Amino acid sequence: QKEVEQDPGPLSVPEGAIVSLNCTYSNSAFQYFMWYRQYSRKGPELLMYTYSSGNKEDGRFTAQVDKSSKYISLFIRDSQPSDSATYLCAMRPPHSGGYQKVTFGTGTKLQVIP
Amino acid sequence: ETGVTQSPTHLIKTRGQQVTLRCSSQSGHNTVSWYQQALGQGPQFIFQYYREEENGRGNFPPRFSGLQFPNYSSELNVNALELDDSALYLCASTSGGAGEQYFGPGTRLTVT
Repeated sequence: QKEVEQDPGPLSVPEGAIVSLNCTYSNSAFQYFMWYRQYSRKGPELLMYTYSSGNKEDGRFTAQVDKSSKYISLFIRDSQPSDSATYLCAMRPPHSGGYQKVTFGTGTKLQVIP
Repeated sequence: ETGVTQSPTHLIKTRGQQVTLRCSSQSGHNTVSWYQQALGQGPQFIFQYYREEENGRGNFPPRFSGLQFPNYSSELNVNALELDDSALYLCASTSGGAGEQYFGPGTRLTVT
């Protein structure tokens, strides 16, 4: 069983829709949770960075973490064609001695149809 | 743009050869991590360098090695290349052990 599970999609939605992306994980030591957006043949771009449980909002993006269920979500409101990309969830335990190992999901490919 | 740069952008090597990839971290960041991303997969952690020392390693064989220099730039070396080494190689920099990781654009390696 992988430490982080993420549905690879693809997920197709019409422009303006609300998108929900999710990941589950098994390692209870994870405390920091990230969402990255990756366009084709590019490096991942950090979208959201959260600590422990709760919600965080940034513009059209909302990240939710439910540590009791080991479940994290990213919501995109008013989706745009420019949001079409692969979305990677990532997580890590607290750092120790400067060391932090980040574990990624496989990524969900999103397509927003105009 | 994150300020993390990588070179070369892409390259093609033959099985059995050796390759060196380079990364310049974001200004002020003293920690560099390297990842391998196969097609359709998430990045897999190779190792991390903090203040010029390797201080963590993923499930990769010793033929994957690295260096970090006093200016915090870094190299990833891969010896005895195998076909399965074909992937996008990403470096990410962080300020210290905490905080966000910022990725470079990656180097796409093809092994034939």
